Amino acid sequence: QSVLTQPPSVSGAPGQRVTISCTGSSSNIGARYAVHWYQQLQGTAPKLLIYGNSNRPSGVPDRFSGSKSGTSASLAITGLQAEDEADYYCQSYDSSLSEVVFGGGTKLTVL
Amino acid sequence: QVQLVQSGAEVKKPGASVKVSCKASGYTFSSYDISWVRQAPGQGLEWMGWISAYNGNTNYAQKLQGRVTVTTDTSTSTAYMEVRSLRSDDTAVYYCARGGGSSSTGIDYWGQGTLVTVSS
Repeated sequence: QSVLTQPPSVSGAPGQRVTISCTGSSSNIGARYAVHWYQQLQGTAPKLLIYGNSNRPSGVPDRFSGSKSGTSASLAITGLQAEDEADYYCQSYDSSLSEVVFGGGTKLTVL
Repeated sequence: QVQLVQSGAEVKKPGASVKVSCKASGYTFSSYDISWVRQAPGQGLEWMGWISAYNGNTNYAQKLQGRVTVTTDTSTSTAYMEVRSLRSDDTAVYYCARGGGSSSTGIDYWGQGTLVTVSS
């Protein structure tokens, strides 16, 4: 069981908007630790997609956005493209465990 | 450009140890933490631990405490991760990455991954 909870899968048609949730607790997301999001294409290393809750690294399209509220965070992808099909992971820090924690991952399927 | 280049795939027997290297380039090595993350076949990402390349301070996942050691060699900008008493469920792709901890900037660069297979 992951400390951060994500839906196992989401799907959407090209051009649509999808969101992926990441639910934590008062010792991680709710404790105001930053949430980061990673995209992992099949067979490749993860790539930083969103850092510090809502910031995009250079080169990441503005179709990707992040938000955080209370003990949860969300990743939104607008204008869905076939190349967005991948696994997405949220990550934060847990003060009770003194550990970095990942969500279990969400597989995005573009229909 | 920032690069993290890891050592090659390993096959080990249960009970053995493995040591994976991660050579960094393109940035000031001592200015960033190095994290180690692993991914078992078909599974999600699991954080293993991190080390400050500045002062060598470490922090490990409780699940792996006592079996994992992370070190750095600042003279060669290389980080190392050793896992002892290997079991079949340690079979995974092991990644080194820059950053981690409670940082607000996330883990921003990743190595290519090293497949470690534990099999008798």
